[in-house]
Amino acid sequence: ETGVTQSPTHLIKTRGQQVTLRCSSQSGHNTVSWYQQALGQGPQFIFQYYREEENGRGNFPPRFSGLQFPNYSSELNVNALELDDSALYLCASSFRSLQRTDTQYFGPGTRLTVL
Amino acid sequence: AQSVTQLGSHVSVSEGALVLLRCNYSSSVPPYLFWYVQYPNQGLQLLLKYTTGATLVKGINGFEAEFKKSETSFHLTKPSAHMSDAAEYFCAVKTSYDKVIFGPGTSLSVIP
Repeated sequence: ETGVTQSPTHLIKTRGQQVTLRCSSQSGHNTVSWYQQALGQGPQFIFQYYREEENGRGNFPPRFSGLQFPNYSSELNVNALELDDSALYLCASSFRSLQRTDTQYFGPGTRLTVL
Repeated sequence: AQSVTQLGSHVSVSEGALVLLRCNYSSSVPPYLFWYVQYPNQGLQLLLKYTTGATLVKGINGFEAEFKKSETSFHLTKPSAHMSDAAEYFCAVKTSYDKVIFGPGTSLSVIP
């Protein structure tokens, strides 16, 4: 059973650019959540995808968008990068059924630096 | 709205001493509660979780936590600290639509 993987591990961009981060879910999981963790803080929920649709969103502007693919992998896209977007971006996958959602398991994260 | 507070942004203990990391939550629905650990430059690893049933939950690496509804608390303990326990610890609560809200974290230092 493979765990959650993310790519790339590190990324440097300049203000105004666009970035795409990728996540592969743990085998058997159908739900993906994305979090932003600024330095010295707890992770903040960005959004969640279930059955290829956004299923809940945190307090992030529309320039943060995502996709979930039929194989349950996911992308996080950020447009018009700002300096404050510099953070560790974490992906978490879980299995959701009609009755419940199981625990989220996290990937190692992508460290984004915006200059 | 759900929220999580962690008392003490930094905690230092001696090797072999008791570890106690405090977590209080607010939730309008019966909570699912979690403790995660994060080592430097790594993602989050699940230590333990409370969903329903027994209020004393045992996790990995000798950690345990007790859900106290009357105190809205979910404190994390370990009887004897080890050097490898030095890390950042996050308490979290899951909301009704699966969004997980994290506390600000507590950095644990273990002194030899």
